[in-house]
Amino acid sequence: AQSVTQPDIHITVSEGASLELRCNYSYGATPYLFWYVQSPGQGLQLLLKYFSGDTLVQGIKGFEAEFKRSQSSFNLRKPSVHWSDAAEYFCAVAYSGGGADGLTFGKGTHLIIQP
Amino acid sequence: DAGVIQSPRHEVTEMGQEVTLRCKPISGHDYLFWYRQTMMRGLELLIYFNNNVPIDDSGMPEDRFSAKMPNASFSTLKIQPSEPRDSAVYFCASSTGPQLFFGPGTRLTVL
Repeated sequence: AQSVTQPDIHITVSEGASLELRCNYSYGATPYLFWYVQSPGQGLQLLLKYFSGDTLVQGIKGFEAEFKRSQSSFNLRKPSVHWSDAAEYFCAVAYSGGGADGLTFGKGTHLIIQP
Repeated sequence: DAGVIQSPRHEVTEMGQEVTLRCKPISGHDYLFWYRQTMMRGLELLIYFNNNVPIDDSGMPEDRFSAKMPNASFSTLKIQPSEPRDSAVYFCASSTGPQLFFGPGTRLTVL
């Protein structure tokens, strides 16, 4: 069965500093990979996705992520965080076969921004 | 498109009562998913449909939970009877492939 691990439950970063959120997945083939963001009391917003091709993908709000097959990782990065980036971030994986079987989510990383 | 629509946005009920959550998927999407989010368990897939047919309900926690999709534009998730441990945020999502589009969620509180 596929699984997603986000090893950091909480991360605190100073405003303006760089950010990297870690994500590792367990899946036998190349997966579809996603990062979602959830602000308090809100729904899930897609930041970016990887299906195939260039392993460095750009998303909204200045975020990017890099797929590394050898490390089974899909880490999320941002060069300079803003106070509005404080939220919960979820990594998710889907089967790369035909159709849609739903996403498997990591437990999430809570991002705190220090002024 | 209005996106995935869920109602109600908030529901407070007493233990033992029946609760019905509703979802309208994005027009043209042939997959519909129900997820539950709790602090302890995170985001869990409860059930999903393809072309209105339930495909996998292995995530449904108990027989108290049931889901239906009578047509392509409407689905319900019902809990009967409800219990305090059912308190969570329930998300509906729809898709045509691996990327899911989520609704705003229904926050359920069972007292």
